[in-house]
Amino acid sequence: DAKTTQPPSMDCAEGRAANLPCNHSTISGNEYVYWYRQIHSQGPQYIIHGLKNNETNEMASLIITEDRKSSTLILPHATLRDTAVYYCIVRVRGGTSYGKLTFGQGTILTVHP
Amino acid sequence: DGGITQSPKYLFRKEGQNVTLSCEQNLNHDAMYWYRQDPGQGLRLIYYSQIVNDFQKGDIAEGYSVSREKKESFPLTVTSAQKNPTAFYLCASSIIAGGDTQYFGPGTRLTVL
Repeated sequence: DAKTTQPPSMDCAEGRAANLPCNHSTISGNEYVYWYRQIHSQGPQYIIHGLKNNETNEMASLIITEDRKSSTLILPHATLRDTAVYYCIVRVRGGTSYGKLTFGQGTILTVHP
Repeated sequence: DGGITQSPKYLFRKEGQNVTLSCEQNLNHDAMYWYRQDPGQGLRLIYYSQIVNDFQKGDIAEGYSVSREKKESFPLTVTSAQKNPTAFYLCASSIIAGGDTQYFGPGTRLTVL
């Protein structure tokens, strides 16, 4: 799985959009970008994933650059409950890594009033 | 509600005792996983199961055992052979094994006294 680079921490005001960047310059053509988050002392939560097109669901939007070397997770209206560690993962679907998820250090997002 | 449940949320055990952590899912997923998370660390895969009556060792299986007698259940036993069992244990499942999206339970925090 390709390596990812994320800023260690970010702040966001409640009600504003939170834009979390991720660099994955060595991504392969068949690797997807996944985002998870983990709120303190809870299990990780799946947010969204994509291959090359931008994706949106009820939680967030995922913008992937045309060269696929970076992406941005957008939480359109951040709330205090969005304070968590956000992980960007790049991996092949149905690959030989038997589904193992490898989380890097992630970005600690703090949403403040 | 569909989801993954883990019990108990907190567990204390004395050194030398075996303990079993419960994981149940009603998502009709074939694949299930056990991870361990230590403070400030990422996830490490203990065991995984691609289908009922089958399971494979992950990266840190020593001192642990599992069973998969039913599709919805994947209990983890932490044995006395596990040298440093105090950790946060996370169970996850996915529709199929491989790179599919994994959904996590709330976790069990095990403390050895």
